[in-house]
Parts: sequence; structure tokens; C-alpha cells
Amino acid sequence: AQSVAQPEDQVNVAEGNPLTVKCTYSVSGNPYLFWYVQYPNRGLQFLLKYITGDNLVKGSYGFEAEFNKSQTSFHLKKPSALVSDSALYFCAVRGPSMNSGYSTLTFGKGTMLLVSP
Amino acid sequence: GAGVSQSPSNKVTEKGKDVELRCDPISGHTALYWYRQSLGQGLEFLIYFQGNSAPDKSGLPSDRFSAERTGGSVSTLTIQRTQQEDSAVYLCASSFGTSGGTYEQYFGPGTRLTVT
Repeated sequence: AQSVAQPEDQVNVAEGNPLTVKCTYSVSGNPYLFWYVQYPNRGLQFLLKYITGDNLVKGSYGFEAEFNKSQTSFHLKKPSALVSDSALYFCAVRGPSMNSGYSTLTFGKGTMLLVSP
Repeated sequence: GAGVSQSPSNKVTEKGKDVELRCDPISGHTALYWYRQSLGQGLEFLIYFQGNSAPDKSGLPSDRFSAERTGGSVSTLTIQRTQQEDSAVYLCASSFGTSGGTYEQYFGPGTRLTVT
């Protein structure tokens, strides 16, 4: 069974400092990896994804993530945090399709990012 | 509309009543998903539709939960005889193609269900 771990319930960072939100995964075969952000009382918004190719993926709002196969990690990063980045961040993984052409997307429990002025 | 819409945005119901939650996906998206988000629990997958059929109902927590999708578009999630543990935010998402593909899912704003 596939799984995602976000080891930190909350990450605190000062505005202007770099931020990292950690994610590790477990899946059979090559993973498809996603990051989503959820602002208060809103649905999830897609940030970026890794499917294949370059291990460093760039996404929306200046975020990027690095795929590390040996460490089974896909940490989310941003060089300079903004107060407006404060939100709940979810990592998700999908394994290879079964013969049915379908595979589930499994989400982590989320990490709350708080950026202080 | 440009995004996934859900209605109602909030629903308060008495224990034992039935509720219907509606999802209107992005036009052209053939895949549709329902999730449940409880405080501190992350996202719990409920059911997936490809067109009007539901290849995966494995996440439905009990037989009180059912869902349908008609015309390959709007979906309704029905909870019968609601219980207090059903209180949560119910999120709908849609995407291009099959769920086995590489497409990201687009989420609606959710329906907050409170069972009193």
C-alpha cells in the first residue's frame, strides 16, 4: 500500500527566510508526486507535481520541490517566505496504474505553515 | 464556471436525517472524486467516478453513504441516517482523463456538514 508522511504538524518561519515543508512517501514503482495548498475555508489548490524528468520541479507562487528517489522524499521549498504563504500544505502520491488504468491518490495529513512578519 | 463548485457550502442537520451534497465539476473533466476532511485527519478518499461509473467505492465508510453521477457531470453524495461522526468537510475534485494518469485534481470549496 502506498503512503505519505508529513513529519511536521506545523512549520514556523519568519518572512523573508527560506522555508521547507517535508514529505516522504512509500509506493511500489515510480511515483507521481503532488503538492497542494489549502487556505482557510477554501478547497485545495494545486501547487506543483513531479511525474518524470528533472528532479527539481517549479510551481505556483514561487514554490519548488525536489524529488529525491534514494531518500523517497519530495520536500517543498521556497527561497523567501511571505506572510501570505501561511496555509495548510498537503503532499500526495500516486503509484503506477493497475491493469484497470486507475490508481489512488494518497494524501498526507498536512503541515500548517505559519510565516511571521 | 471556471472551477469546481459545491453546494451547499454549509449544512447543519439533526442526527438521523438524510443529506445530499452536490458537486459540479469543471466542464470536460471526466474524472470526479469525493473526499472527507476531518479536523487533524487529512483527506480521506471516499469514491471515484470515471464518467458515470464508479470504479472505486472502497473509501465509502458505511452503507449509509452513496454517490451517483449523471450525464458525466454533476455528482451527488448522499448520507442516510446521519451520525455525529459524519460531521466533516466534504470535498469534491475533478480532473482530466482517468485517475491513473498524471493529471492534477482541481478541488471545490467543500461542504461543511455538522450533525447535531
